Amino acid sequence: DAKTTQPNSMESNEEEPVHLPCNHSTISGTDYIHWYRQLPSQGPEYVIHGLTSNVNNRMASLAIAEDRKSSTLILHRATLRDAAVYYCIRGDKYSGGGADGLTFGKGTHLIIQP
Amino acid sequence: DAGVIQSPRHEVTEMGQEVTLRCKPISGHDYLFWYRQTMMRGLELLIYFNNNVPIDDSGMPEDRFSAKMPNASFSTLKIQPSEPRDSAVYFCASSLDGDTQYFGPGTRLTVL
Repeated sequence: DAKTTQPNSMESNEEEPVHLPCNHSTISGTDYIHWYRQLPSQGPEYVIHGLTSNVNNRMASLAIAEDRKSSTLILHRATLRDAAVYYCIRGDKYSGGGADGLTFGKGTHLIIQP
Repeated sequence: DAGVIQSPRHEVTEMGQEVTLRCKPISGHDYLFWYRQTMMRGLELLIYFNNNVPIDDSGMPEDRFSAKMPNASFSTLKIQPSEPRDSAVYFCASSLDGDTQYFGPGTRLTVL
């Protein structure tokens, strides 16, 4: 049970923004929202994470709904190298409370058209 | 920083043989995770360590699988005896604070 819901696939054009949605309606107050991506034939790669406020880094932005039941990963200007499977994960820090938060699910396969 | 190092990158073995996968985490990271990825089941957490101590091994499929972390810079995942259904890509990841994880390139295991 991944505890998050994402579309199976999305398609976008190169150099356009991409909004990847994620639903996590059963999220608890201490769960962070993490995003990872996996390029073909590589291990997953950290993208961004947040708790309540919107977050920005050099790779992407994370917009978190006010009720925290959903979030959106934003790639501001997609390139062909952004084609990957994007995973949305909710979880607490691994402080002995179990590894439920480390379930990756199926993710969203992002296709970038040139 | 070399990142997480895994060896071997590819392993082909016959059913019944023992397989040992190795991982060197990023220096200074206190958490180490072992995952398995297959087309059918996706990416599954097998076990994770904190300060070399196994914290949760509930994802280990059965007694044929065992993992050790004898020191902060080395971990092994052993399968004995191996079966064809163990064929998968096995990833190791490490983390400084249990939050952001850094994954290795993976070991592609094929059991014939």
